[in-house]
Amino acid sequence: DGGITQSPKYLFRKEGQNVTLSCEQNLNHDAMYWYRQDPGQGLRLIYYSQIVNDFQKGDIAEGYSVSREKKESFPLTVTSAQKNPTAFYLCASSTLAGRGRYEQYFGPGTRLTVT
Amino acid sequence: AQSVTQLGSHVSVSEGALVLLRCNYSSSVPPYLFWYVQYPNQGLQLLLKYTSAATLVKGINDFEAEFKKSETSFHLTKPSAHMSDAAEYFCAVKLGGSQGNLIFGKGTKLSVKP
Repeated sequence: DGGITQSPKYLFRKEGQNVTLSCEQNLNHDAMYWYRQDPGQGLRLIYYSQIVNDFQKGDIAEGYSVSREKKESFPLTVTSAQKNPTAFYLCASSTLAGRGRYEQYFGPGTRLTVT
Repeated sequence: AQSVTQLGSHVSVSEGALVLLRCNYSSSVPPYLFWYVQYPNQGLQLLLKYTSAATLVKGINDFEAEFKKSETSFHLTKPSAHMSDAAEYFCAVKLGGSQGNLIFGKGTKLSVKP
């Protein structure tokens, strides 16, 4: 089945530690996105990538980093510089051409808790 | 600049009643508009989208939305609510240009009373 996988579903970390969230897609989509979701705030864009080895900051990139070494993979690292890392993180992907372009497909999310 | 406003962070309806979730957008170009649904602790699932074809768009689970350019609205409706429709709903508009970025509203949580 085609889709997006995120792992793990739940992640617990101590303050001051970096943590990497995994996102993999087998939809052959060019574009991938990371969002952060907090109650009542909708989805806020952290980073996005439209092509391998290239990515851009979204609205709330401070304290986060990404890489896009393969088309299928777009891992997100939450660094110790992120002031309030506890949140629900969603990964998405989309095609940028043809029928269905711009429809974003979402993974199941990773809930990160930092104490 | 594009933006999305969802009126009402919480909406409650009785089972069998009409569902109406409001979305207004601003866009400097003809918009792509989307409605997504999110169940607790899950990702978002596409309900329907508007891409400048028919103004009345039908989606999954009997949801539909009407694009009204004069009102800059894209409200989501369903004739008869089911208990399983209880979820959070997000309206989104695509940014202009070749990027695929979407701007999401803050969401409306729908409750369905028996």
